[in-house]
Amino acid sequence: EPEVTQTPSHQVTQMGQEVILRCVPISNHLYFYWYRQILGQKVEFLVSFYNNEISEKSEIFDDQFSVERPDGSNFTLKIRSTKLEDSAMYFCASSLPGQNTDTQYFGPGTRLTVL
Amino acid sequence: LAKTTQPISMDSYEGQEVNITCSHNNIATNDYITWYQQFPSQGPRFIIQGYKTKVTNEVASLFIPADRKSSTLSLPRVSLSDTAVYYCLVVLRSNDYKLSFGAGTTVTVRA
Repeated sequence: EPEVTQTPSHQVTQMGQEVILRCVPISNHLYFYWYRQILGQKVEFLVSFYNNEISEKSEIFDDQFSVERPDGSNFTLKIRSTKLEDSAMYFCASSLPGQNTDTQYFGPGTRLTVL
Repeated sequence: LAKTTQPISMDSYEGQEVNITCSHNNIATNDYITWYQQFPSQGPRFIIQGYKTKVTNEVASLFIPADRKSSTLSLPRVSLSDTAVYYCLVVLRSNDYKLSFGAGTTVTVRA
């Protein structure tokens, strides 16, 4: 069964540094998403991406965040200057909305630790 | 987005059936009810989705009464590996596909 993959599985960085989290969505999917989950809290929507542009973003997704689909397979989330509160699990998801299903498939996540 | 309410936690034993009820009183006509499962340190995983009546797949059944103001996820004969957080979501199937997760129900299956 096809799956979403994410790298790295764990990223440790210093406050103020830039990080790029990478995702490879399922190949024929058209919608891509990033979510995050702070330890012990709920999964929060960050951004959705379709047709090479952001279709929706949450209040969390401020100017420090950006997304890109640099080629036909990768989907990246960049945090320009990390803060301590950015420490969380970041999940990428993809979907192929159709008449009968719009299931989102999630990757295993990247654990980001900001020191 | 319709707000959902579900129990914070449930305990069960191996081999039992687990039923998790979710209320969504202000569900709209075009909303679907979707359930996801999440194991610790993993991404959420789709379990089942339905609009009305009953939906069954190899993992679970979803019961939705006629008024659609609630739904019940039924996990038959749970095992220890079914210990997870289960999320009930109401999804508007339109151009807005973002998922809004609540706190979910932590199901603990004991031997």
